[in-house]
Formats: sequence, C-alpha cells, structure tokens
Amino acid sequence: SQQGEEDPQALSIQEGENATMNCSYKTSINNLQWYRQNSGRGLVHLILIRSNEREKHSGRLRVTLDTSKKSSSLLITASRAADTASYFCATMKETSGSRLTFGEGTQLTVNP
Amino acid sequence: DSGVTQTPKHLITATGQRVTLRCSPRSGDLSVYWYQQSLDQGLQFLIQYYNGEERAKGNILERFSAQQFPDLHSELNLSSLELGDSALYFCASGQGDEKLFFGSGTQLSVL
Repeated sequence: SQQGEEDPQALSIQEGENATMNCSYKTSINNLQWYRQNSGRGLVHLILIRSNEREKHSGRLRVTLDTSKKSSSLLITASRAADTASYFCATMKETSGSRLTFGEGTQLTVNP
Repeated sequence: DSGVTQTPKHLITATGQRVTLRCSPRSGDLSVYWYQQSLDQGLQFLIQYYNGEERAKGNILERFSAQQFPDLHSELNLSSLELGDSALYFCASGQGDEKLFFGSGTQLSVL
C-alpha cells in the first residue's frame, strides 16, 4: 500500500487562483518531497522538506509539514495553465534508506 | 532534461516473452531506482541499487530481476510477461538522502 494519501484526487481551478493539495502519511519520515508529472512523462522534483522543517518556499510553491499530524500541504499560488499536471507527494522513511514511497497523486487542471 | 536516460521509450510484446529495460543514471549518481506506474497500483517501488549492489527491494515480482553494472547503468529484466505487467516503468537516480531524478520511462504493452 502507498505510504501517502493525497487529497483531493482531482482539482480544477481557474488561472490565477491558488491550488492546495494535501498529503497524509503513516510512519516517521526523514523528509517529504513533492513531484510533478505531466501526462505520461517522467516525474520532476519540485521541493523537499525535512522532518525538522515546518515550511518551505520555492517560487510560487509553498510546502508545509506537520509531523505531529503526519501531513503536508502543497500550495501553488497564482496558478497558470502550464501548471496542469499530476502532483505526487513522496516520503523517505527513517527505516527505508533512501527509497521514496509515493502517494496516489492529485490531478490538477488549471483552466485558462 | 533530468540526465537519466531510459531505453526503449516504448515496448510492445506478447505474453510469455522476456524484455530488458535499460537505464543510464545521471552523471555522478551511484543509486539507481526502478519504479512501476500503472493505473490501478499507482507508483510502486521495485528495487534500488547502489554502486552495483542491491540496496532495497520493494514489490518486485520473482519474474522480474535487475542489476547495476560497473559503469553504473542498470537493467530491469521482466520475464514470463503477463497482461498485468503492462505499465510505465521508470528509472531514477540520486545521491542518497535527497531528491531523485527520473527518466522519461519505458511504456510496456503486453498483448
């Protein structure tokens, strides 16, 4: 079973709006990462947040991590049509070495 | 461009056959990971190699095997193929406790 569960499964918004995706996980982690996948293509790393961090920013991306609730959120501000993609959270567990376990993803559609 | 090269991009074969997927990691990366992505199972970790040695094993079937060669490229061998093995197979490379760089994948269709 997947380590992460993402919510919502699908999200449709208008250009310029903000998009928020959530991820929950089950076990202790070293870090949590977010990846983006354009239709049927390879995954691209977006941002990494370590277990001792609470918030991180990268351009229009903001990630939060709450280890007490075992959850994370990804906020994309001022969305663009080019942000349309699937977004996955992935966790690197303390006991799994460096392997990543992926959630099921959120399909984001940004309408022009 | 992630720097990770996977070949072939597409593979169509029949049930019962054997195929080999190839991956060249990013320059300098010692770790190679294989993932399978399908509609019903999502992204599943299969196996990880580090500098030629198996480091971690996930949900990899006994019909599947992998290896990493001295030049660090890796091959994933899939045998006795079944319809359910149809999926997108990704290779990724990295340097440990950091982000992974993914190849563009091999789309396997078993007919």
